[in-house]
Amino acid sequence: GQQLNQSPQSMFIQEGEDVSMNCTSSSIFNTWLWYKQDPGEGPVLLIALYKAGELTSNGRLTAQFGITRKDSFLNISASIPSDVGIYFCAGQRGSNYKLTFGKGTLLTVNP
Amino acid sequence: GAGVSQSPSNKVTEKGKDVELRCDPISGHTALYWYRQSLGQGLEFLIYFQGNSAPDKSGLPSDRFSAERTGGSVSTLTIQRTQQEDSAVYLCASSPQGASFSGNTIYFGEGSWLTVV
Repeated sequence: GQQLNQSPQSMFIQEGEDVSMNCTSSSIFNTWLWYKQDPGEGPVLLIALYKAGELTSNGRLTAQFGITRKDSFLNISASIPSDVGIYFCAGQRGSNYKLTFGKGTLLTVNP
Repeated sequence: GAGVSQSPSNKVTEKGKDVELRCDPISGHTALYWYRQSLGQGLEFLIYFQGNSAPDKSGLPSDRFSAERTGGSVSTLTIQRTQQEDSAVYLCASSPQGASFSGNTIYFGEGSWLTVV
């Protein structure tokens, strides 16, 4: 099925560094979501964005809904070891229940 | 229960055998979803239930895949005559509402890891 283009595929950083990842699509989405998945767990919602241009923060996480509605980014500031995991973006169109996911960004944080 | 519960958590099966994966959604959630996550891939939508009916089965990869939901609660995903390419994590999710779905109310289970050998 259709997937979003998510990058980078993986990142290896030092504790304390900031990270940024993004997703792009050829199609417009009305909602952008960012999830984190720990090993052996299901995805957990981090941030939901509902409006083009919206910038939302959740602690050290900041995400933005692109003006074109075709992209979104997630920033993590001052990374810590527990930030390790796979981060997924997901898009939703209108009231459609179906989510389209990116392939994920594997984040490794070196203490 | 407190969260979405899935069983088994791990299943190894021989090619050609049938498997059943179970999902117990959060109590009171009317909408239930099955997604598949293959290694290195994002989540792929399989099927959506609103109550006991499945208005969207478009993501099921082949007719070997089927799912049902009973009592507006537990759902079972069945894969017949399993193939090696069926190996993946099968994730179930639920939300309080369906058509007026809002992303911030969907909850995922921990998944069932299926390995076909």
